[in-house]
Amino acid sequence: DTAVSQTPKYLVTQMGNDKSIKCEQNLGHDTMYWYKQDSKKFLKIMFSYNNKELIINETVPNRFSPKSPDKAHLNLHINSLELGDSAVYFCASSQTQGASYGYTFGSGTRLTVV
Amino acid sequence: AQSVAQPEDQVNVAEGNPLTVKCTYSVSGNPYLFWYVQYPNRGLQFLLKYITGDNLVKGSYGFEAEFNKSQTSFHLKKPSALVSDSALYFCAVRVRSGGGADGLTFGKGTHLIIQP
Repeated sequence: DTAVSQTPKYLVTQMGNDKSIKCEQNLGHDTMYWYKQDSKKFLKIMFSYNNKELIINETVPNRFSPKSPDKAHLNLHINSLELGDSAVYFCASSQTQGASYGYTFGSGTRLTVV
Repeated sequence: AQSVAQPEDQVNVAEGNPLTVKCTYSVSGNPYLFWYVQYPNRGLQFLLKYITGDNLVKGSYGFEAEFNKSQTSFHLKKPSALVSDSALYFCAVRVRSGGGADGLTFGKGTHLIIQP
């Protein structure tokens, strides 16, 4: 049983298109996150959702919009894709009661914009 | 603002030798520190964490890390390296945002290469 699952694993698309990445967790965690890993492997947080409420939005362009239908799902929708959006996007989840909990990560979605 | 520094882009160690991957941090208040490992084309896997208590914490695959408050460090160590330990290692610190939830801030990662 996969704890945090992302789909698709690979996504190749043209500039200007709109695409979505889905994420689901079955751990019962109350917070989910999206991270972007660039070509230099640097990880940067994009969004955090706690019980369907947006908590963090770290200077991400408004072309990116997280959507959380329930606390087990956090999807990432991207409008008007640009070349610079090419990266690996990781979904993660955690329990926020007590900052001692680490994150559980999905296996990532490799987005390539051509 | 919180930050994590991993001063080495790459660490090379011969198989069987001890290894150390360095990490220093800067936060306000008490840090919660983590190490994650990423194998090629895979997600991040949790190795170990420091919350409170004993400064030496033990984790998965024989790894351990030592919290040093005076030096603000949390170096990852293993007594005897294996070729299969070759991967990308991330140090991270968890802090509390203004909204009440937590954000995990990562270092830039260190490539660990174990040579047979």
